[in-house]
Amino acid sequence: GAVVSQHPSWVICKSGTSVKIECRSLDFQATTMFWYRQFPKQSLMLMATSNEGSKATYEQGVEKDKFLINHASLTLSTLTVTSAHPEDSSFYICSATGGTSLDTQYFGPGTRLLVL
Amino acid sequence: QQPVQSPQAVILREGEDAVINCSSSKALYSVHWYRQKHGEAPVFLMILLKGGEQKGHDKISASFNEKKQQSSLYLTASQLSYSGTYFCGTESGVGSQGNLIFGKGTKLSVKP
Repeated sequence: GAVVSQHPSWVICKSGTSVKIECRSLDFQATTMFWYRQFPKQSLMLMATSNEGSKATYEQGVEKDKFLINHASLTLSTLTVTSAHPEDSSFYICSATGGTSLDTQYFGPGTRLLVL
Repeated sequence: QQPVQSPQAVILREGEDAVINCSSSKALYSVHWYRQKHGEAPVFLMILLKGGEQKGHDKISASFNEKKQQSSLYLTASQLSYSGTYFCGTESGVGSQGNLIFGKGTKLSVKP
């Protein structure tokens, strides 16, 4: 149990385009979903926290107009990178809490974004 | 504040033991341990909660010293599959929405 999926797993796009990444909890209702970014050989950096039906809480330094988060249901959250630039290239990972263990964050497989 | 992990990297032979430490300058509510293999997402290992805990499954266990604001992950009789980067994530208080701040990671390489 407690499976989180992400789609797509890989995306290559041109500079200036927008990219949407989906995060789904497949077998549990996620009370909270988290979005992280990880650059090569670095730690996971929390970008934002979202609860279903409410606005996401962004970490300091993360532009909320650039990284749009929509938590439409208890099983789906989306991250849209608007007007992507090469410096946005990174590994984006979502996680979710819920199910039988409210403290545990279950991670999705990640989405690798490359902006040319 | 980001927790500090030590060592940064460790190389073991199969069957050897290792300890990875995670310490924080802030009072902690919980410590989470994850392992990440290259190119993959982190995989949950265990969570230790305030009150001082020790947990373990298989040959991987951990302790949480709330007073010292630190946690240690113990890997005994290491296997090749243990290779990866280990991250501790710390949560500093109730009401933090479960936000975790991750350390920089400890890269563990287990050789045959």
